[in-house]
Amino acid sequence: GAGVSQSPRYKVAKRGQDVALRCDPISGHVSLFWYQQALGQGPEFLTYFQNEAQLDKSGLPSDRFFAERPEGSVSTLKIQRTQQEDSAVYLCASSPPGLATYNEQFFGPGTRLTVL
Amino acid sequence: AQRVTQPEKLLSVFKGAPVELKCNYSYSGSPELFWYVQYSRQRLQLLLRHISRESIKGFTADLNKGETSFHLKKPFAQEEDSAMYYCALKGGADGLTFGKGTHLIIQP
Repeated sequence: GAGVSQSPRYKVAKRGQDVALRCDPISGHVSLFWYQQALGQGPEFLTYFQNEAQLDKSGLPSDRFFAERPEGSVSTLKIQRTQQEDSAVYLCASSPPGLATYNEQFFGPGTRLTVL
Repeated sequence: AQRVTQPEKLLSVFKGAPVELKCNYSYSGSPELFWYVQYSRQRLQLLLRHISRESIKGFTADLNKGETSFHLKKPFAQEEDSAMYYCALKGGADGLTFGKGTHLIIQP
């Protein structure tokens, strides 16, 4: 079946613009994660949803970052007033129901955001 | 705080030689450890997890709690093993904590 999809794949924004990044998880996957991967670094956790509930947003770097998953399926990561340091690949991952500890996270292809 | 360290940014070995990608972690509790791999132009995918004690594509990794390590090993490297490898830890938080990754190059 289809894997996790993300759109757009590439986004160029001028500093100060708002952007919205979309994630379509695998159908039936309860858990959804967002990660930020800067150049030459590993992915860093941003936020976690279980269905529509945002259970952990401890990794969001500032209040300019906002994520939602209103119907427990598609999720959107919004970044307001983008800054150059926001340039990174944003990865979405989803996991099926069950013990979260043991569940594999299935990653999307990522959205590469470049802020000029 | 939890942390994952992969000391080698780049590792180059010849085909048929043994491979060991190092991973050390810092976490006060009992962690779950994973290896993820990203082949060229593909998405990040799970290679193996310590809880399964499995061998995938000839790779194995043993969790050593005394040394806080989870090194990835393969006795005979193949060219198709060339990729970015990330060690990841799941501790008390919901998300994974990743290392910075090791770029493995297998030379013919």
